[in-house]
Amino acid sequence: AQRVTQPEKLLSVFKGAPVELKCNYSYSGSPELFWYVQYSRQRLQLLLRHISRESIKGFTADLNKGETSFHLKKPFAQEEDSAMYYCALRGGGADGLTFGKGTHLIIQP
Amino acid sequence: DAGVIQSPRHEVTEMGQEVTLRCKPISGHNSLFWYRQTMMRGLELLIYFNNNVPIDDSGMPEDRFSAKMPNASFSTLKIQPSEPRDSAVYFCASSYAGGPREQYFGPGTRLTVT
Repeated sequence: AQRVTQPEKLLSVFKGAPVELKCNYSYSGSPELFWYVQYSRQRLQLLLRHISRESIKGFTADLNKGETSFHLKKPFAQEEDSAMYYCALRGGGADGLTFGKGTHLIIQP
Repeated sequence: DAGVIQSPRHEVTEMGQEVTLRCKPISGHNSLFWYRQTMMRGLELLIYFNNNVPIDDSGMPEDRFSAKMPNASFSTLKIQPSEPRDSAVYFCASSYAGGPREQYFGPGTRLTVT
C-alpha cells in the first residue's frame, strides 16, 4: 500500500524566514512525487514534481529515496505563500494520486 | 479554457436522497478522476477513467456510490441513498494520459447531507 504523511497540519513562519514543509512517503517501487498548492478561494494546482527538478515560485523539493522524503523548501517566505500545501504520490503505473492530509502554511508579516 | 467544470458548487440534501455531481473535463483530456476531501481522511481517490472506461474504482466507499462517463466531455458521481457521513468536498480532475499527466482540478462540489 502507498501512503503519504505530512506531519504538520499547520506551520506558521515570519516573512523572510526559511520554510520547510515535510513530506514522507511509503511505497515499495519508484514513485512520482508532487507538491500541490491551494491558495484561498482557488483551485488545487500543481506546484512542482520531482522529475522536473525545477524551482517554482522559489520553492524546491528533492526526492530522498533513502529517507523516503520529499520535503518542500523555500529560503525566504513571502506573504503570498500562505496556502494549503499537499504532497502527493503516484506509483505503479497507475494514474491516480495518493495525497497527504495537507499542511496549512501561514506567513506572518 | 474554463478548466475543469463542476456542478453544482454546493449541494445540501437530506439523508436518503439521491445526489448527482457533475464534471466536465478539459477538452482533449482523456483521463478523469473523482476525489473526496474530508477533515478526517483528507483527499482520497474514489475512481478514475481512461478514455471513458473506469480503470480503478477501489476507492469507491460502497455500493451507494456509482460513477459514469458516457462520453469524453461528461462524468457523473451519484450517491444513492445519501448519508450524513457522505458530507465532503468532491473534486473532479482531468489530465492527458499521453503527456506529462498533470492533473487539473475543478473547483469542487461541497456536499452537505443532513
